[in-house]
Amino acid sequence: EIVLTQSPATLSLSPGERATLSCRASQSVSSYLAWYQQEPGQAPRLLIYDASNRAPGIPARFSGSGSGTDFTLTISSLEPEDFAVYYCQERTNWPLYTFGQGTKLESK
Amino acid sequence: QVQLQESGPGLVKPSGTLSLTCAVSGGSISTTNWWNWVRQPPGKGLEWIGEIYNDGSTNYNPSLKSRVTISVDKSKNQFSLNLRSVTAADTAVYYCARDSDWNPYYMDVWGKGTTVTVSS
Repeated sequence: EIVLTQSPATLSLSPGERATLSCRASQSVSSYLAWYQQEPGQAPRLLIYDASNRAPGIPARFSGSGSGTDFTLTISSLEPEDFAVYYCQERTNWPLYTFGQGTKLESK
Repeated sequence: QVQLQESGPGLVKPSGTLSLTCAVSGGSISTTNWWNWVRQPPGKGLEWIGEIYNDGSTNYNPSLKSRVTISVDKSKNQFSLNLRSVTAADTAVYYCARDSDWNPYYMDVWGKGTTVTVSS
């Protein structure tokens, strides 16, 4: 079973700052990794798939990178609506979907 | 644009069966997509429950497989979740979601979620 470990658990930043979130897999998932955003009381929203591709309608300030076991989600300049919880997800151990435990991005 | 809407009882008694339905609108359930159930206990992360294809084929999370049944009703354009022998640990927000059009490794359309509490 693949385990996804996200860090940090909580990230405190101000609007306009750059956010860097990490996801580490216990074994290689190639580039089959996604990032989701979950605002309070809302469903998750797909942001990034295949490690670096933005889903339709996702602003360009969101970018993803990495392959193998180490992945990064970067938000270049934080907007007020970006403060939320972010999850990484993989599915190489078909058919099981695995999620990380989440990183809470909070406003400083 | 496809939309998903969960419905079902918000309160289930311990040892009972949790039953939810996900209605698909703005598109047909009889596409090449798989249709999923995901849950989120209060204050915790996301857990995949299982998925179904329009021909009735299913995949389940091994940790829940013994208690879960997912079914599809193409005539009503909806799919359903049954979770048996529930306990307080099954209290969660339950989401239905669709595997993406371009890659079945990801879920690109989600319902708003429905809260289910297991309590006597």
